[in-house]
Amino acid sequence: GAVVSQHPSWVICKSGTSVKIECRSLDFQATTMFWYRQFPKQSLMLMATSNEGSKATYEQGVEKDKFLINHASLTLSTLTVTSAHPEDSSFYICSAVSSGGTDTQYFGPGTRLTVL
Amino acid sequence: RKEVEQDPGPFNVPEGATVAFNCTYSNSASQSFFWYRQDCRKEPKLLMSVYSSGNEDGRFTAQLNRASQYISLLIRDSKLSDSATYLCVVNNNYDMRFGAGTRLTVKP
Repeated sequence: GAVVSQHPSWVICKSGTSVKIECRSLDFQATTMFWYRQFPKQSLMLMATSNEGSKATYEQGVEKDKFLINHASLTLSTLTVTSAHPEDSSFYICSAVSSGGTDTQYFGPGTRLTVL
Repeated sequence: RKEVEQDPGPFNVPEGATVAFNCTYSNSASQSFFWYRQDCRKEPKLLMSVYSSGNEDGRFTAQLNRASQYISLLIRDSKLSDSATYLCVVNNNYDMRFGAGTRLTVKP
């Protein structure tokens, strides 16, 4: 099946630093990728939709200047958490939709961010 | 009202039991429906799509009632390995909305 990777798988950083998370579709091209956030014991919440070559579409309540998304190619999207604070600690998961496929989303393994 | 609602559980059942999860959604324009399984601290993985005619995959049966905006998942002959959180997912043109999940623990 389609494979999506994320890097890093976990990161611990100090408050105020920026963290970049990469999401790659390894064996297919993805014109659309999604970024989700999941707090403990809660469901995934969509943060933004990323389309290759255009600006991301952010969900209501998600600060676009804090969560920078770049979808530079058909296989790579990045999420940068700028000036991270402890409340940003969460599990960040990306997903990708194959360009020529169904509406099935393939999820990356997630990145666990802990901000001290 | 949440867009996708599930009973959070937990459901604690013995091996071999049959267990059913329900899910309701609010957007009548939703186009496709899925059940995902999520293990602790892992990403969600697609368990099965849900079709209007109902579909079965081994011990798992999913059903959709569009009129009532209701989705169900039935697990027969539960295994220890079925222990996980089951997420109901409703999709409208790539806009996927997740339920909070139902936690299942199967005990020996």
